[in-house]
Amino acid sequence: EIVMTQSPATLSVSPGERATLSCRASQSVSSNLAWYQQKPGQAPRLLIYGASTRATGIPARFSGSGSGTEFTLTISSLQSEDFAVYYCQQYNNWPPDTFGQGTKLEIK
Amino acid sequence: QVQLQESGPGLVKPSQTLSLTCTVSGGSISSGSYYWSWIRQPAGKGLEWIGRIYTSGSTNYNPSLKSRVTISVDTSKNQFSLKLSSVTAADTAVYYCARGLIIKGHDYWGQGTLVTVSS
Repeated sequence: EIVMTQSPATLSVSPGERATLSCRASQSVSSNLAWYQQKPGQAPRLLIYGASTRATGIPARFSGSGSGTEFTLTISSLQSEDFAVYYCQQYNNWPPDTFGQGTKLEIK
Repeated sequence: QVQLQESGPGLVKPSQTLSLTCTVSGGSISSGSYYWSWIRQPAGKGLEWIGRIYTSGSTNYNPSLKSRVTISVDTSKNQFSLKLSSVTAADTAVYYCARGLIIKGHDYWGQGTLVTVSS
């Protein structure tokens, strides 16, 4: 099973600033990596797939990069609605699909 | 716009079988190359993939749950279902159904349903 490790566990950033979230895979997942945003009481929402492709309707301030074992989600200028928990998920080697433990993005 | 909705008992007794159904609307469950997944999330914790089914009937399960999980599909009702047997308190979680694509991950999710295992 591929283990996905996200860092940091909590990230405190001020509105308008840039946020950089990391995800590491225990072995290569090629570019088969997705990022999700989850707000309290809501289902996760797909942000990025294929490591760098924005899903339909996702603002351009969200960008993804990386391949192999190291991935990054960048939010270029944080809006109030961006404060949430973010998960990465690999879908290269399955079963199982595996998720990271999440990064909580909070207001500084 | 595709929508998914979970339904089923919110309370299950220990050792019994948890049964949930996901109803898909806004599109046929049989169209495209999609798969249909169940994912769960204990309170305050992360996401755990349970398994998925293709409309061909082919399934993949999380090895950690495989002995207890069955996922099935009813294309005539545009639904797919989850059965998890011999439940314990550790199976208490919000259960989500979701649509997936091999190249994309899970693009549509249900709102989730809380299942509590308690006597």
